[in-house]
Amino acid sequence: SQQGEEDPQALSIQEGENATMNCSYKTSINNLQWYRQNSGRGLVHLILIRSNEREKHSGRLRVTLDTSKKSSSLLITASRAADTASYFCATDSHSGNTPLVFGKGTRLSVIA
Amino acid sequence: GAVVSQHPSWVICKSGTSVKIECRSLDFQATTMFWYRQFPKQSLMLMATSNEGSKATYEQGVEKDKFLINHASLTLSTLTVTSAHPEDSSFYICSARDLRAPGGANVLTFGAGSRLTVL
Repeated sequence: SQQGEEDPQALSIQEGENATMNCSYKTSINNLQWYRQNSGRGLVHLILIRSNEREKHSGRLRVTLDTSKKSSSLLITASRAADTASYFCATDSHSGNTPLVFGKGTRLSVIA
Repeated sequence: GAVVSQHPSWVICKSGTSVKIECRSLDFQATTMFWYRQFPKQSLMLMATSNEGSKATYEQGVEKDKFLINHASLTLSTLTVTSAHPEDSSFYICSARDLRAPGGANVLTFGAGSRLTVL
């Protein structure tokens, strides 16, 4: 069953604005990951945050994790038209070769 | 970085035929690969976990005889959609875990996906 639930389902912003997407999950996790998917393509790993971390940065990406609320947020600063894609959170509940559980995704449109 | 190649990227077939999709890890060995199915504007639905040298583990509701998975080597897993019907039309994506990822984290590298259209 799906664990992650992204919010909002769709987001449309102007180029240069910041985009914030949220993810909620249900069970305890080892880490939480964010992936990006361009239309009709596979997913690309963006960033991973471990359960003992609260915030992580990578370029224009900022991820936060609140394990008490079982939620995470992905912030994309100074958005560009090329950031237009779907963004998925995925939770990893165990170590080893267990599958990640993906949320429903947020479709981001950045208008030039 | 890790690269997963998936082929074909799109295929159109007649109802009743079988279609094979290949997933290759190009620069790393993958003892485990995952096959997902994705409907338009929806999330990924895990179909099965493919294990090298052993039987695949299918998710509940996925027909084993319909979706045959073979993982004969450390770099290749195949998904065969047997006796395809229009309802099997979908976007199929494979992924693999690169054990070289920092800390052994369960980071997945995805293929580009295969769009199957059954007429």
